[in-house]
Amino acid sequence: EAEVAQSPRYKITEKSQAVAFWCDPISGHATLYWYRQILGQGPELLVQFQDESVVDDSQLPKDRFSAERLKGVDSTLKIQPAELGDSAMYLCASSFIEKTGYTFGSGTRLTVV
Amino acid sequence: GIQVEQSPPDLILQEGANSTLRCNFSDSVNNLQWFHQNPWGQLINLFYIPSGTKQNGRLSATTVATERYSLLYISSSQTTDSGVYFCAVELEDTGRRALTFGSGTRLQVQP
Repeated sequence: EAEVAQSPRYKITEKSQAVAFWCDPISGHATLYWYRQILGQGPELLVQFQDESVVDDSQLPKDRFSAERLKGVDSTLKIQPAELGDSAMYLCASSFIEKTGYTFGSGTRLTVV
Repeated sequence: GIQVEQSPPDLILQEGANSTLRCNFSDSVNNLQWFHQNPWGQLINLFYIPSGTKQNGRLSATTVATERYSLLYISSSQTTDSGVYFCAVELEDTGRRALTFGSGTRLQVQP
């Protein structure tokens, strides 16, 4: 079964450092999402791409977070500088067309110390 | 924005018991999914069910879109069913096509 690939699986970084996460969606999935999940809560959308274009980044803290999907395939989410409150699980998901389900990757668990 | 409420927040069962998890949502939706998040954080898609009833083994789900709720049934529960169950919805007729999650039901199945 096709999967959404994410790396790294775990990341520990010091406050004020830069950190990046990578996501490779299921082949052919035009829509890609980055979600953040704080411990004990449900995931919340950070950014949504349709091919290489950003559709929704209204919840992305743009002073420190950036996301790109240059060729409309894989995507990178960056945080610079990282803050203690950024410690969370970062989940990537993709979907094919409307009215179909989303598939999530295994996530990157970030700890900022 | 859309509100997604799940109940109960926590549930403890003995192995073999049945359970029903509920999801209420405040607006019309064109996508509703149930996910199981395992202890390693992986979100596993259980059902894509904007309306109607589906079954997959010991699990089944029903969504009554006109009354804005969905139910997830777990029968003959096993310890491997433990984890957090999330309901997530996507608003109808908006340009923002992304899932909004509830706060989850944490299930613990004891042997």
